[in-house]
Amino acid sequence: DIVLTQSPALAVSLGQRATISCRASQSVSISRYNLLHWYQQKPGQQPKLLIYRASNLASGIPARFSGSGSGTDFTLTINPVQADDIATYYCQQSRESPGTFGAGTKLELK
Amino acid sequence: QVTLKESGPGILQPSQTLSLTCSFSGFLLSASSVGVGWIRQPSGKGLEWLATIGWENVKHYNPSLKSRLTISKDTSNNEVFLKITSVDTADTGTYYCAHSVLARGYFDYWGQGVMVTVSS
Repeated sequence: DIVLTQSPALAVSLGQRATISCRASQSVSISRYNLLHWYQQKPGQQPKLLIYRASNLASGIPARFSGSGSGTDFTLTINPVQADDIATYYCQQSRESPGTFGAGTKLELK
Repeated sequence: QVTLKESGPGILQPSQTLSLTCSFSGFLLSASSVGVGWIRQPSGKGLEWLATIGWENVKHYNPSLKSRLTISKDTSNNEVFLKITSVDTADTGTYYCAHSVLARGYFDYWGQGVMVTVSS
């Protein structure tokens, strides 16, 4: 299985930039497609798709969210961080079955 | 508007079979490239993909659980089902169903989840 590694937590101040990383144990890119996706999950809620294929903003997601990366290294950026962004963020790969998730990065306030 | 809602038994005993239902609206599972998947989350932990069923009745399972899983669908009633046999306490958690476009590999609409507790 492809393992996705995320830092457990990240502390940021409101209004600042947050950079959340996801590293894959092997490439999750095929040709020009980077098969890595990002979700946001708030306590007691279901996950919400934020970014698909590494850099594409899902419908209804604010432009302060962005994604980048290719191969094995990917980044989700939130700039500027707002109070509503405090949540856990998961990456997911669909390069190979099973489609695995990272363990999640909890975004916390400084 | 796409919506999905999970239902299940709430609590069951070890060794029993867990039966879950996903009722959805706003899309057709008979439409090309559409799929519905099941993902679970133990309390306070991460997400684990379990299975996906596609519009052509193609089924994909997580290999680590494949022997215990059965996914099926009732297209006419807009429902997808998941059965997990021989449950134990490690199967306790929240179970989500989610919509996907199969070729894209991500889940763009999620249900609210249903909590399942396995306890003697």
